[in-house]
Amino acid sequence: DVKVTQSSRYLVKRTGEKVFLECVQDMDHENMFWYRQDPGLGLRLIYFSYDVKMKEKGDIPEGYSVSREKKERFSLILESASTNQTSMYLCASNDRWDTEAFFGQGTRLTVV
Amino acid sequence: AQTVTQSQPEMSVQEAETVTLSCTYDTSESDYYLFWYKQPPSRQMILVIRQEAYKQQNATENRFSVNFQKAAKSFSLKISDSQLGDAAMYFCAYRSAWSSGDKLTFGTGTRLAVRP
Repeated sequence: DVKVTQSSRYLVKRTGEKVFLECVQDMDHENMFWYRQDPGLGLRLIYFSYDVKMKEKGDIPEGYSVSREKKERFSLILESASTNQTSMYLCASNDRWDTEAFFGQGTRLTVV
Repeated sequence: AQTVTQSQPEMSVQEAETVTLSCTYDTSESDYYLFWYKQPPSRQMILVIRQEAYKQQNATENRFSVNFQKAAKSFSLKISDSQLGDAAMYFCAYRSAWSSGDKLTFGTGTRLAVRP
């Protein structure tokens, strides 16, 4: 089974902290994605990566950065967490030649 | 840019009955993929069904089927013989056949409740 694993299921951080959300996939997928999920807004793409060290901005990249040093790992970084970044964060991956994306279980981040 | 619209924030269905969830999308592309994903309370997103735009035949997966109307840019999901385990958020999603990174564009979701 394909597994996409996010490091935390729940996270509480203080305003101004630097926050790292980690995602690891075990299927050698080229593409990895970070989405943010908010009620009434669906899933919105923050950043994606189609290869190691490659990244592209999604629809809402402001306040976030990413890192992909190894193929299996894709990290989302909140440089200085703010309360409006309280949300559910979903990581996903897929093979370049397959249309199905596989998702992690999500990290519910609360910034206080 | 592509957009996906789900106009039903919430739906309810009686167990064993049939329900249809609506989805429309906007694109200028001719080649693309459409998906329905399910997100149960466990939060794990699961692919329910996918449709290739170049295929005229509607996709079917057991109790789940779609009505794909390419000219109308409509992609509805029909769930037959609804079960309690079908209760979840359902997201419609679009993916271009040509864009880099193969990213998905999602709708805002429909929450489906199943009444016993």
